[in-house]
Amino acid sequence: QKEVEQNSGPLSVPEGAIASLNCTYSDRGSQSFFWYRQYSGKSPELIMSIYSNGDKEDGRFTAQLNKASQYVSLLIRDSQPSDSATYLCAVNGGGNKLVFGAGTILRVKS
Amino acid sequence: GAVVSQHPSWVICKSGTSVKIECRSLDFQATTMFWYRQFPKQSLMLMATSNEGSKATYEQGVEKDKFLINHASLTLSTLTVTSAHPEDSSFYICSAPPGLAGGPLSEQFFGPGTRLTVL
Repeated sequence: QKEVEQNSGPLSVPEGAIASLNCTYSDRGSQSFFWYRQYSGKSPELIMSIYSNGDKEDGRFTAQLNKASQYVSLLIRDSQPSDSATYLCAVNGGGNKLVFGAGTILRVKS
Repeated sequence: GAVVSQHPSWVICKSGTSVKIECRSLDFQATTMFWYRQFPKQSLMLMATSNEGSKATYEQGVEKDKFLINHASLTLSTLTVTSAHPEDSSFYICSAPPGLAGGPLSEQFFGPGTRLTVL
């Protein structure tokens, strides 16, 4: 069974710091990786997608993928209190289905 | 980005009744939509894949006779929770990949979710 593992947290960082969120996955054949942000009581919002090894940057967000280590991470620079949310790592499980990790709670303290 | 809507946003019903939840893609056509369920403090669990013009595909452990899915058009999928019970109370979320219209097939955009409470 395909699995996605995340540390549930909470991860607490001070405002302005870099938040680092990590995720590992079990299926070595996975090709597509996603980070979603979910505020309490809301549905997930796509933040980043990454498909090849290396880094992908979008504003304050950087996704990093290492397929050899089956590891994907999300860095949030200059963290803001509004970044406080649950961050879900998702991996394409075949047939466009997504397999989600349990999510990491991020708290940015002002 | 692609927009997916859901209706209703919340619903309260009595045990034993049926509840229908609609999922619409507003600015793109979706031949496939996905239905998820999320219990408090847990992650999203895929329930089924809704396919326009054919039967839905259910994940292991999901009762297809209890959770009826109809993909009536390229922009609408409905989930009906039949004979709802308190243990069906959850946050139901649909998603759709915009595909060629707006991105890679595997990217999915989520509806705002429907919170179901069964008394």
